[in-house]
Amino acid sequence: TAGITQAPTSQILAAGRSMTLRCTQDMRHNAMYWYRQDLGLGLRLIHYSNTAGTTGKGEVPDGYSVSRANTDDFPLTLASAVPSQTSVYFCASSRDAYQPQHFGDGTRLSIL
Amino acid sequence: SQQGEEDPQALSIQEGENATMNCSYKTSINNLQWYRQNSGRGLVHLILIRSNEREKHSGRLRVTLDTSKKSSSLLITASRAADTASYFCATVLPANTGNQFYFGTGTSLTVIP
Repeated sequence: TAGITQAPTSQILAAGRSMTLRCTQDMRHNAMYWYRQDLGLGLRLIHYSNTAGTTGKGEVPDGYSVSRANTDDFPLTLASAVPSQTSVYFCASSRDAYQPQHFGDGTRLSIL
Repeated sequence: SQQGEEDPQALSIQEGENATMNCSYKTSINNLQWYRQNSGRGLVHLILIRSNEREKHSGRLRVTLDTSKKSSSLLITASRAADTASYFCATVLPANTGNQFYFGTGTSLTVIP
């Protein structure tokens, strides 16, 4: 089924290590997003990309970086993980910045 | 913050009853969207209502928008146990100045069989 694929589905990571969360979409959507979801805080935007080759900072960008080399892929990198980055991470895409977003099923990340 | 805020935070009803969730926001919007999230899954888009629309229907869902009050409501009629989920509103700003999408903190709905 077409949509968004996130990998891995879950991961336990030692503090200080780096990690890249992968996100791929096959809908040829222009816009892509990374969110983190923590209990009681809803979805918080980390980074976004309105089109391939461009990225922007969201509400909570510190400690994370992204790239958008092509339309389909939008990886999220934690350069040096800290325990406060323990969360569920969702990738999403949309045709453009106004249209409904399609979400992956998330990556559950625990930093110890 | 542009973020929408849902009310109530949690709602518990009996199967067959109607469920109403509200969303308030702060500035002008291009459109407002409602999403559903089942436990452990990603969000799924339910319905989009544009700023010049006042009401939209989709099956058992009815969404209203009052731009003068900067509020929207989602009504689920004749609820079912399978409607148990979290529901989020998202406000989409009109100007293309970077990120335009803002999600609220959600309403957790429990439908008791």
